[in-house]
Amino acid sequence: GAVVSQHPSWVICKSGTSVKIECRSLDFQATTMFWYRQFPKQSLMLMATSNEGSKATYEQGVEKDKFLINHASLTLSTLTVTSAHPEDSSFYICSATIAGGDNEQFFGPGTRLTVL
Amino acid sequence: GENVEQHPSTLSVQEGDSAVIKCTYSDSASNYFPWYKQELGKRPQLIIDIRSNVGEKKDQRIAVTLNKTAKHFSLHITETQPEDSAVYFCAASVWGTASKLTFGTGTRLQVTL
Repeated sequence: GAVVSQHPSWVICKSGTSVKIECRSLDFQATTMFWYRQFPKQSLMLMATSNEGSKATYEQGVEKDKFLINHASLTLSTLTVTSAHPEDSSFYICSATIAGGDNEQFFGPGTRLTVL
Repeated sequence: GENVEQHPSTLSVQEGDSAVIKCTYSDSASNYFPWYKQELGKRPQLIIDIRSNVGEKKDQRIAVTLNKTAKHFSLHITETQPEDSAVYFCAASVWGTASKLTFGTGTRLQVTL
């Protein structure tokens, strides 16, 4: 149980375009989802915390107008990278916690974004 | 906010030897410390975690120790195998639903034959 999926697994886009990444909890309800960014050979850096039905909470230094997060249901959160640039190329990983559960975060498989 | 430091950044051991990775945290409110294993291009996998009400936890070849006073916690892997080769991350959090994790910088473990 506690499976999280992401779509797409990889995407290549042109500079200036927008890209949407989906994060789904497949077999549980997730009141909270987290979005991380991981550059090569670096750690996971939390970008934002997404709560169902409310605005996301962004970490310091993360532009909320550039990284749009929508958590419209208990099983789906989306991250849209707007006006993507090459420096946005990274591995984006989401995680989710079980509604009413404990601390454990269940991670998605990640999305590799390459901006040309 | 919380800051987690992790050492060493790389670690090479021979198969069968033990590996130890150490982390320190800054926020005394943190009381939940998970460890993750991440293979290249894959998602992090929880391998063991510890809460601050215990000082040590063991699961087969993996153990974690916690020193709350010093704000240190360590991962111990015994009888290492080539499949243990990966990047390991420690993290710290405050126990409770939907608490965010602060990750350490990672340790690349290589187990050689």
